[in-house]
Amino acid sequence: GAVVSQHPSRVICKSGTSVKIECRSLDFQATTMFWYRQFPKQSLMLMATSNEGSKATYEQGVEKDKFLINHASLTLSTLTVTSAHPEDSSFYICSANEQYFGPGTRLTVT
Amino acid sequence: GEDVEQSLFLSVREGDSSVINCTYTDSSSTYLYWYKQEPGAGLQLLTYIFSNMDMKQDQRLTVLLNKKDKHLSLRIADTQTGDSAIYFCAETNSGNTPLVFGKGTRLSVIA
Repeated sequence: GAVVSQHPSRVICKSGTSVKIECRSLDFQATTMFWYRQFPKQSLMLMATSNEGSKATYEQGVEKDKFLINHASLTLSTLTVTSAHPEDSSFYICSANEQYFGPGTRLTVT
Repeated sequence: GEDVEQSLFLSVREGDSSVINCTYTDSSSTYLYWYKQEPGAGLQLLTYIFSNMDMKQDQRLTVLLNKKDKHLSLRIADTQTGDSAIYFCAETNSGNTPLVFGKGTRLSVIA
């Protein structure tokens, strides 16, 4: 079946630095990628939707200048958390073409 | 690793009830969720149930949990064409563990 990978699976960074998370569709073309965030003991929250070659559409309350999303090709989307703060510590999950989810990236900001 | 299984497709007639089934392997699963995803959209949380409950009802939605068999079902009463979507079952054992999703059941409602 269709496989979506994310890299890195875990990352620890210092407050104020930026972190890039990659989401790749391995054997199919992902015209649409979704980025989700999950805080501990909470459900998944959609952050943004990106279509290849277009600007991402952000959900209400998600800062587009802080969470930079790039979807430059049909197999790769990236999420960059800029000037990270401890409250950005979360689990970030991408999905491709609605149905295929990556395994997630756990971000810890110290 | 832990696994969540769902049938991939379900087709029902408008006005009938839909039952979407899900099985999971994590015996320490604590929270179980049902998400709906319409074409071109992200996930929408429909409902959830804690593992210490057997049933939860929310308007047209009824969730049944058989913890012994690790079986979860979602019943949609009076299914409408607007219910056509992909439905995801997901579980977590809480703490800092992520959700484990099923692959989704595509529900088609025939008018």
